[in-house]
Amino acid sequence: DAGVIQSPRHEVTEMGQEVTLRCKPISGHNSLFWYRQTMMRGLELLIYFNNNVPIDDSGMPEDRFSAKMPNASFSTLKIQPSEPRDSAVYFCASRPDSALEAFFGQGTRLTVV
Amino acid sequence: RKEVEQDPGPFNVPEGATVAFNCTYSNSASQSFFWYRQDCRKEPKLLMSVYSSGNEDGRFTAQLNRASQYISLLIRDSKLSDSATYLCVIGSGNTGKLIFGQGTTLQVKP
Repeated sequence: DAGVIQSPRHEVTEMGQEVTLRCKPISGHNSLFWYRQTMMRGLELLIYFNNNVPIDDSGMPEDRFSAKMPNASFSTLKIQPSEPRDSAVYFCASRPDSALEAFFGQGTRLTVV
Repeated sequence: RKEVEQDPGPFNVPEGATVAFNCTYSNSASQSFFWYRQDCRKEPKLLMSVYSSGNEDGRFTAQLNRASQYISLLIRDSKLSDSATYLCVIGSGNTGKLIFGQGTTLQVKP
């Protein structure tokens, strides 16, 4: 049974470039979360979708960040333009309505130079 | 004040020791509580949910104190393989979002 799938696993990009991170949640899961993890701030919730609708985006750092969920099996997190301080591991997680806990993908390690 | 606070540690303990972690939360409306485990350069994985009456899973015991707004995790007879970061997670009943603490690092030494 496939878990949450994220791509790419690693991304190195130059400052100012656009970065798109992708996530495929577990089939049948209604909620999807994007988190960012750094040593300084730990795991921060960026945005949370339920049934493809953004419920809470208060954690999105600024206008350079945007997230979409066009259907139940796909979500993207875009950073445009990217900055060195965006370097972090970005995790996607999903959860069915019948459960309270979330299941994580393996993460995308982003380095902006 | 952060929504979820943990002592980052590290906690360095010998094999066989008992170790306890606490986590405090600020939102009294929180309705679900978990401990996740994260190994180095890996994704977080659910260790156990925390129930109001307290619950045990082998060497691990979790407790919830709603009045004081904290949860705890007790690990008995520590193993080398318990070395990891333990993340406290609080779920909001209203919105369903999950908020993570910064994590507590445990190193179990031979």
